[in-house]
Amino acid sequence: SQTIHQWPATLVQPVGSPLSLECTVEGTSNPNLYWYRQAAGRGLQLLFYSVGIGQISSEVPQNLSASRPQDRQFILSSKKLLLSDSGFYLCAWNDRDYGYTFGSGTRLTVV
Amino acid sequence: AQSVTQPDIHITVSEGASLELRCNYSYGATPYLFWYVQSPGQGLQLLLKYFSGDTLVQGIKGFEAEFKRSQSSFNLRKPSVHWSDAAEYFCAVGPKAAGNKLTFGGGTRVLVKP
Repeated sequence: SQTIHQWPATLVQPVGSPLSLECTVEGTSNPNLYWYRQAAGRGLQLLFYSVGIGQISSEVPQNLSASRPQDRQFILSSKKLLLSDSGFYLCAWNDRDYGYTFGSGTRLTVV
Repeated sequence: AQSVTQPDIHITVSEGASLELRCNYSYGATPYLFWYVQSPGQGLQLLLKYFSGDTLVQGIKGFEAEFKRSQSSFNLRKPSVHWSDAAEYFCAVGPKAAGNKLTFGGGTRVLVKP
């Protein structure tokens, strides 16, 4: 069966520090992968999506970047975190039959 | 551009009572429609989805949703709420196209009174 792993679960980082969040998928190949952010008390905002290795589409201009070095690996990064980067980050994948599955999320607090 | 509106930010319901969560969407064609549930600090779990066919969709945990094209709505219902249904619920819409990006509503937080 397909599973999605996302880590770490929680992260507290100082302003100006780098960020790397990782998401991996098992049990499927060539999935569409997504990074969403959920700010406190708000809905989900699509940050990046990828339809294949090295193919990244950005939905909103921001302090973050994404990479897909392998078929089932999706990484969210920042060189220098801002306070406004705090939030709940969710990775998701889609097997094109609309089997959207979300990871358990990473709570990022920038201090 | 596509958009999803969930008019109710918070809903409080007594345990055993019925629940209806509203969702309205704006889209150029018939989209794919979804309802997700999120428990505090957790990821999103799919409750149900509508692609085509019967406009009344059954999901997990006793939930159902009805697609009404004329009203651009996809409301979620449950006849009898359990305390474990306290969570945040998100309606989402996606295109019938490659990429399949979902647009989410702002969410409705459901509180269940004993």
